Amino acid sequence: EAGVVQSPRYKIIEKKQPVAFWCNPISGHNTLYWYRQNLGQGPELLIRYENEEAVDDSQLPKDRFSAERLKGVDSTLKIQPAELGDSAVYLCASSLERVSGNTIYFGEGSWLTVV
Amino acid sequence: SQQGEEDPQALSIQEGENATMNCSYKTSINNLQWYRQNSGRGLVHLILIRSNEREKHSGRLRVTLDTSKKSSSLLITASRAADTASYFCARRDDKIIFGKGTRLHILP
Repeated sequence: EAGVVQSPRYKIIEKKQPVAFWCNPISGHNTLYWYRQNLGQGPELLIRYENEEAVDDSQLPKDRFSAERLKGVDSTLKIQPAELGDSAVYLCASSLERVSGNTIYFGEGSWLTVV
Repeated sequence: SQQGEEDPQALSIQEGENATMNCSYKTSINNLQWYRQNSGRGLVHLILIRSNEREKHSGRLRVTLDTSKKSSSLLITASRAADTASYFCARRDDKIIFGKGTRLHILP
């Protein structure tokens, strides 16, 4: 069974440019998460979806970040315009349902460098 | 900050020795999970311990939970070079919140 798939794996952009990351969760997983991980830090939640509904986006910087999960499957995270401080790894994760004991499965991450 | 506290931040031990990492948190939890992250990779779930459990084993891993002290520990016995990674605790209530991690380095 395929795991959580993310693309691109690496992206280098100039500041003020837009960037988008794509995530395909594990088949059948209705909960999807986007995390941001800065160097040497733990992941921090940006947004969580239950099916196509964003149920927790309190940590998403909405002035420049947006996300969508059309049809409750794939998801896209966009940054526009990017700033130098957005350089980080963007991790997508999914789980079967929002049950506290369920394992969350992570993708390999999308590494963003803003120059 | 969303993050809990892990201790130590970094740990270097000889191969074959045991490695212990600690995690503290501030609020009540439903469960606590430990994850491993190899350099440049995503996080991999290792073990989950529920709030009504005190100890749990999985292979060379042993996790303890002390809810009165709001702390947990992860013990890796007989460490191997492949255990070199960052280890994160994550508490789960309404959302899953990660600590800053312990960077473990196993010396040959």
